Amino acid sequence: GDSVTQMEGPVTLSEEAFLTINCTYTATGYPSLFWYVQYPGEGLQLLLKATKADDKGSNKGFEATYRKETTSFHLEKGSVQVSDSAVYFCASKTQGGSEKLVFGKGTKLTVNP
Amino acid sequence: EAGVVQSPRYKIIEKKQPVAFWCNPISGHNTLYWYLQNLGQGPELLIRYENEEAVDDSQLPKDRFSAERLKGVDSTLKIQPAELGDSAVYLCASSPGTAGEQYFGPGTRLTVT
Repeated sequence: GDSVTQMEGPVTLSEEAFLTINCTYTATGYPSLFWYVQYPGEGLQLLLKATKADDKGSNKGFEATYRKETTSFHLEKGSVQVSDSAVYFCASKTQGGSEKLVFGKGTKLTVNP
Repeated sequence: EAGVVQSPRYKIIEKKQPVAFWCNPISGHNTLYWYLQNLGQGPELLIRYENEEAVDDSQLPKDRFSAERLKGVDSTLKIQPAELGDSAVYLCASSPGTAGEQYFGPGTRLTVT
């Protein structure tokens, strides 16, 4: 079945550092890919998404590019802030199948001032 | 616009006791999901509703878990009897359709002692 593997955390960075969280997927079809963020005490929120190869999703300074050749969707941000501290989940969803999101295990990010 | 509402936020019960979780989706969202999130893991789909019909319950342990979505709006997830291994966060999400973005509630954290 479909699966998502993402970089294990926790990740600790200083403010204004560069962030990369790796994510790779396996899927029988051509999935849509997502990054969700979960702030402490809150539900998951969609951060960005890409629906086909070479698409770039972006939001709040975060970016991820759908790379079909490497089956990857790595999350990047050029300069992190303390407020970015959260758990980040990579997810895939194959259209026309079960229509369910398949999540990675999550990566906890802590940004120190 | 109100988000997905879940209650209770926290529940502590003894093993073998029953427990129920309630979810009120975003108004107008006809698709409702229940996810299970174990500690350190990503959410896993338990059941998906289209209006009042359960269209994907393949991951729901039917010996002890049940769910209903009467009138196609609110939903209740029940566990009877609860086991120690059921300790987790139970997330509810809704979307305007299966292709739409899923909006997550804050979850119910269950502790079984």
